Amino acid sequence: GENVEQHPSTLSVQEGDSAVIKCTYSDSASNYFPWYKQELGKRPQLIIDIRSNVGEKKDQRIAVTLNKTAKHFSLHITETQPEDSAVYFCAAMKGSGDKLTFGTGTRLAVRP
Amino acid sequence: EPEVTQTPSHQVTQMGQEVILRCVPISNHLYFYWYRQILGQKVEFLVSFYNNEISEKSEIFDDQFSVERPDGSNFTLKIRSTKLEDSAMYFCASSEDFEQYFGPGTRLTVT
Repeated sequence: GENVEQHPSTLSVQEGDSAVIKCTYSDSASNYFPWYKQELGKRPQLIIDIRSNVGEKKDQRIAVTLNKTAKHFSLHITETQPEDSAVYFCAAMKGSGDKLTFGTGTRLAVRP
Repeated sequence: EPEVTQTPSHQVTQMGQEVILRCVPISNHLYFYWYRQILGQKVEFLVSFYNNEISEKSEIFDDQFSVERPDGSNFTLKIRSTKLEDSAMYFCASSEDFEQYFGPGTRLTVT
């Protein structure tokens, strides 16, 4: 089955700096790659996603890149703010209605 | 904006007891899921449900677990005889297509 690895496990950045989180996946049949933000005790919240026919997608301060050949994708957060502090999970999925396979999470701390 | 809802928010039960966790998916969504998250760990898939039947289940989803859509709005997860290791946060999710939206979770504590 699919295996998703995520790095780093923890990341601390100064407010205003950029943060990058990287994930790799194993199943070449995976076609959809969402990113979730989870604040303490809250639900995972979908923040951005990318499908396999696209190499990059941007939404204001966050962007995701995908390299299907290398089977890796990354989350980029620019101009970080303290409210970006949370655990971020990447995930992979084959198609509509399929299960999500999650990475192990990255705890991001943004220092004011 | 419609959201997935779950009840109860916290359930404490004794080992061996049955529990039912309830979810109301977003109304026009067709696919429903249960995931669980042990404290401090990643989110793990349990089961997916489509067209009134299970689409896929994980190794975690053994004979002690069952799911049901008893009416047009609710989606339930039943654990027949709880074990200590079932203690976790249980999330329901739903999707219309690719994007899966999660409920707020039920924290299950088995003592």
